Amino acid sequence: EAGVAQSPRYKIIEKRQSVAFWCNPISGHATLYWYQQILGQGPKLLIQFQNNGVVDDSQLPKDRFSAERLKGVDSTLKIQPAKLEDSAVYLCASSLGGFSTGLGQETQYFGPGTRLLVL
Amino acid sequence: GQQVMQIPQYQHVQEGEDFTTYCNSSTTLSNIQWYKQRPGGHPVFLIQLVKSGEVKKQKRLTFQFGEAKKNSSLHITATQTTDVGTYFCTYSGAGSYQLTFGKGTKLSVIP
Repeated sequence: EAGVAQSPRYKIIEKRQSVAFWCNPISGHATLYWYQQILGQGPKLLIQFQNNGVVDDSQLPKDRFSAERLKGVDSTLKIQPAKLEDSAVYLCASSLGGFSTGLGQETQYFGPGTRLLVL
Repeated sequence: GQQVMQIPQYQHVQEGEDFTTYCNSSTTLSNIQWYKQRPGGHPVFLIQLVKSGEVKKQKRLTFQFGEAKKNSSLHITATQTTDVGTYFCTYSGAGSYQLTFGKGTKLSVIP
């Protein structure tokens, strides 16, 4: 079974430039997550999609970050304009359904991430 | 708001020694998941604990969920160099579906 795919793997840009990341989740997974992981910290959820709808984007800096999952499969995350503090690894994850039940949370499967450096 | 602490932040052990990391919450947790992230890698799911007092084992790894569902631990017996990485507890508050990662415990194993 193919895992979560992300591209590019690395990106270096200058501040105020724009950048986009792409994610292809595991086939059949309805829920897709974007996380930001700053060096030395745990991943922080930016946005969660259920099919093509947004479930939670409360921690997404909406003045500069945007994300979409138009057909409920692939997703793109964009930063415009980038700031120095956006330097981080951007992780995409997917899960089957995404909602908590009495049995707990679903397992999330992570992609390799995109390492962004903003100069 | 919910406060979850993961301790220690760093741990250096000699190969063969045991290792334990703790996740402590100020409020009741619906469940706990543990992930491992190798250096330069991405988080990989290890286990989920849901029931009060639950204990699960995976070979040399033992996971516990406290009776009050406010704390959890991951214990590794006789560490190996392959155990190197950062161990994260992730959690959802009661009635919440959002998964939040702790700061992690970075384990180094000295051969």
